[in-house]
Amino acid sequence: EIVMTQSPATLSVSPGERATLSCRASQSVSSKLAWYQQKPGQPPRLLIYGASTRATGIPARFSGSGSGTEFTLTISSLQSEDFTVYHCQQYNNWPWTFGQGTKVEIK
Amino acid sequence: EVQLVESGGGLVQPGGSLRLSCAASGFSIRSYWMSWVRQAPGKGLEWVANIKQDGSEKYYVDSVKGRFTISRDNAKNSLYLQMNSLRAEDTGVYYCVRSTFEMWGQGTMVTVSS
Repeated sequence: EIVMTQSPATLSVSPGERATLSCRASQSVSSKLAWYQQKPGQPPRLLIYGASTRATGIPARFSGSGSGTEFTLTISSLQSEDFTVYHCQQYNNWPWTFGQGTKVEIK
Repeated sequence: EVQLVESGGGLVQPGGSLRLSCAASGFSIRSYWMSWVRQAPGKGLEWVANIKQDGSEKYYVDSVKGRFTISRDNAKNSLYLQMNSLRAEDTGVYYCVRSTFEMWGQGTMVTVSS
């Protein structure tokens, strides 16, 4: 099973600043990497798939990069609605696995 | 409206069974792999099972193999998860997900407790 490790667990950022979230895979997942945003009481919302492709309707301030084992989600200028939890997920090998999540909080 | 709606969750004793259902509307599931994903209270996400468009291929996470069965009825536009021999660690919200990842149901809560 591929282990996905997200860092940091919690990221404190001021509104309007940039946030950089990391996700590391225990072995290569090529570009089969997705990022999700999840707010309390709601299902995850797909932000990025294929490591760098924004899903439909996702604002341009969200961008993804990386391949192999190292991936990054960047939120260029944090808006109030962006302060929540983010998950990465690999879908290169079964079982598909998620990271433990990064919580982005207001500094 | 294009959506997935889960049902069938509830409180069950350890060792018991539940059958979850997921009704799709606004699109046909026959074109997609479909999945179940769960989330324990306050915890991360776990991909539970996948099923191919025609049901000919199924994949399960090790923790549910031999206990859970994923199935589908394309004519009814529905996905199912039969859960047997339930354990406390199966407690959580179960989401139905379309294989392109952008469509998730709101989830149904399963609680395994005596």
